[in-house]
Amino acid sequence: DGGITQSPKYLFRKEGQNVTLSCEQNLNHDAMYWYRQDPGQGLRLIYYSQIVNDFQKGDIAEGYSVSREKKESFPLTVTSAQKNPTAFYLCASSYSGTSDNEQFFGPGTRLTVL
Amino acid sequence: GQQLNQSPQSMFIQEGEDVSMNCTSSSIFNTWLWYKQDPGEGPVLLIALYKAGELTSNGRLTAQFGITRKDSFLNISASIPSDVGIYFCAGHFDYGGATNKLIFGTGTLLAVQP
Repeated sequence: DGGITQSPKYLFRKEGQNVTLSCEQNLNHDAMYWYRQDPGQGLRLIYYSQIVNDFQKGDIAEGYSVSREKKESFPLTVTSAQKNPTAFYLCASSYSGTSDNEQFFGPGTRLTVL
Repeated sequence: GQQLNQSPQSMFIQEGEDVSMNCTSSSIFNTWLWYKQDPGEGPVLLIALYKAGELTSNGRLTAQFGITRKDSFLNISASIPSDVGIYFCAGHFDYGGATNKLIFGTGTLLAVQP
């Protein structure tokens, strides 16, 4: 089955700890994205990557870091510098540089910082 | 970051009723997408629109790309309980960097009473 997987589904961390969220896709998509969703709100872009070994900041990149060493993987690290990290995190992927702008989402990871 | 204006914010309807929601933007888009998000899950793509004036259906769902390229509409006919969720619009315009970045609406929460 082709798709996007995120793990874990739920994650709890103590304040001050860095935490890494996993995102893997087997859709052969070039581009991958990380979004943050807070209760009752829309999706805000954290980082995106259009190609391996390249990534760009989104609208709310402060306190987050990413890497893109493989086409299939785009892990997100929530650092201790992120002032309000508790949120629902969504990973997505799409083709890149084409007229097809459709993004496909993973099931999400709910991060709670205690 | 820029967001689309999506309305209404929430809708509470009886099973069998028709539903209509819309998104407007101050910018011209070349793509409009509509997603549905179930609680605690990632958004699922419902309909993609690529041409001004385009009208596309997916079962009981119909969406239209506004002629001005600044708005889009989603209609759901004969609603059923499983239509419950949050509906997001998303638009794409060319930043000049050949990216597939999307701008998301704030969502419409739909509740259907049996």
